[in-house]
Amino acid sequence: GAGVSQSPRYKVAKRGQDVALRCDPISGHVSLFWYQQALGQGPEFLTYFQNEAQLDKSGLPSDRFFAERPEGSVSTLKIQRTQQEDSAVYLCASSHRGASGANVLTFGAGSRLTVL
Amino acid sequence: GENVEQHPSTLSVQEGDSAVIKCTYSDSASNYFPWYKQELGKRPQLIIDIRSNVGEKKDQRIAVTLNKTAKHFSLHITETQPEDSAVYFCAASKGGTASKLTFGTGTRLQVTL
Repeated sequence: GAGVSQSPRYKVAKRGQDVALRCDPISGHVSLFWYQQALGQGPEFLTYFQNEAQLDKSGLPSDRFFAERPEGSVSTLKIQRTQQEDSAVYLCASSHRGASGANVLTFGAGSRLTVL
Repeated sequence: GENVEQHPSTLSVQEGDSAVIKCTYSDSASNYFPWYKQELGKRPQLIIDIRSNVGEKKDQRIAVTLNKTAKHFSLHITETQPEDSAVYFCAASKGGTASKLTFGTGTRLQVTL
């Protein structure tokens, strides 16, 4: 597709429920990142994939968070037993090497999770 | 790890005036500094970026300056327009393929008529 697509755009979960958030990156983008953006804050890194390999998961806040990208394209972020503090916008980004020579991230519109 | 601080948190300017947002970073190994604009409810969008091998970069009304010695970089917007109103985030990374961005806390810019 033309951009990074995320679904659902909005998700309301009761505390304790499991949720799954999907990211469809730009075709051909090898690198894929997940970020968490709390209200009024900057995005915070969660995890990184290069193709299907999860090379960095240092930002995942707890073992309730799990991400996968089994075929190196679509990725799913799963949150088990959701807590109120998990309420945030979850942003997915894929990247290419830009004119500056650095990794340029293109973000999706995000999935806004509200845990009641 | 990297820590990025951003100031001010809010900025109000009159249309036509200039706006300046400043960021500092902690990791001297960081060498890539992008700026993102995020309108309410929308995705962050890259507006300009700079590598550490240059001190300044300009794109029409937007410019970024970098001082590697002091570890700070700034965004300058000239001749501001109402459509410039948004939240602006600075970020830093080591610039490699696997390099994650560390973001500042954002500056809410309001351009008034």
